[in-house]
Amino acid sequence: DIVMTQTPLSLSVTPGQPASISCKSSQSLLHSDGKTYLYWYLQKPGQPPQLLIYEVSNRFSGVPDRFSGSGSGTDFTLKISRVEAEDVGVYYCMQSIQFTWTFGQGTKVEIK
Amino acid sequence: EVQLVESGGGLVQPGGSLRLSCAASGFTFSSYEMNWVRQAPGKGLEWVSYISSSGSTIYYADSVKGRFTISRDNAKNSLYLQMNSLRAEDTAVYYCASPQPGGDYVPGANWGQGTLVTVSS
Repeated sequence: DIVMTQTPLSLSVTPGQPASISCKSSQSLLHSDGKTYLYWYLQKPGQPPQLLIYEVSNRFSGVPDRFSGSGSGTDFTLKISRVEAEDVGVYYCMQSIQFTWTFGQGTKVEIK
Repeated sequence: EVQLVESGGGLVQPGGSLRLSCAASGFTFSSYEMNWVRQAPGKGLEWVSYISSSGSTIYYADSVKGRFTISRDNAKNSLYLQMNSLRAEDTAVYYCASPQPGGDYVPGANWGQGTLVTVSS
């Protein structure tokens, strides 16, 4: 199975400041179809995960443009340009290049 | 609008069985694969099982293989997870997840609110 490793595991951010989360996979997530199957989710307290980014850098419907994703192969990053209070929660990266999805451990983001 | 509603969770003794359901609406259920994902209390997300649109292709996590069975009824727009030989470590909120219908292929775009399974004596 592909192992997904996130850093840091927790982050305390002042509102209006940027934040960045790294995700590394144990194998390349670049598929033979040319797509890279790396996703980012935010799970707010008491809620199911909500999709933020798909295929590394595509914002899902309704996701604010302060969220952006980048990377390739095995190294990926989620950036929040200016953190807002509503961005608190746990962020997960996920791979689906294999049918057997795997998730990172999660990064808990809180507001200072 | 895609809606996924899980049900069937509850308290069950170790070694017992439970059947979860996921009622889907707002998209052509029979055209899309589905997944179950779980989350133990205070822990991260763990993928459990995949089923193709027709039900002909199925995958399981090693942790549930041989004990859980995924199935679907496309006529009823429903997904199921039969869980047997339950263990304490199966205690979790179970979510069903579906792709985004139309447009770009996004496999884990939509999630239900989840149903809690507690395995305890």
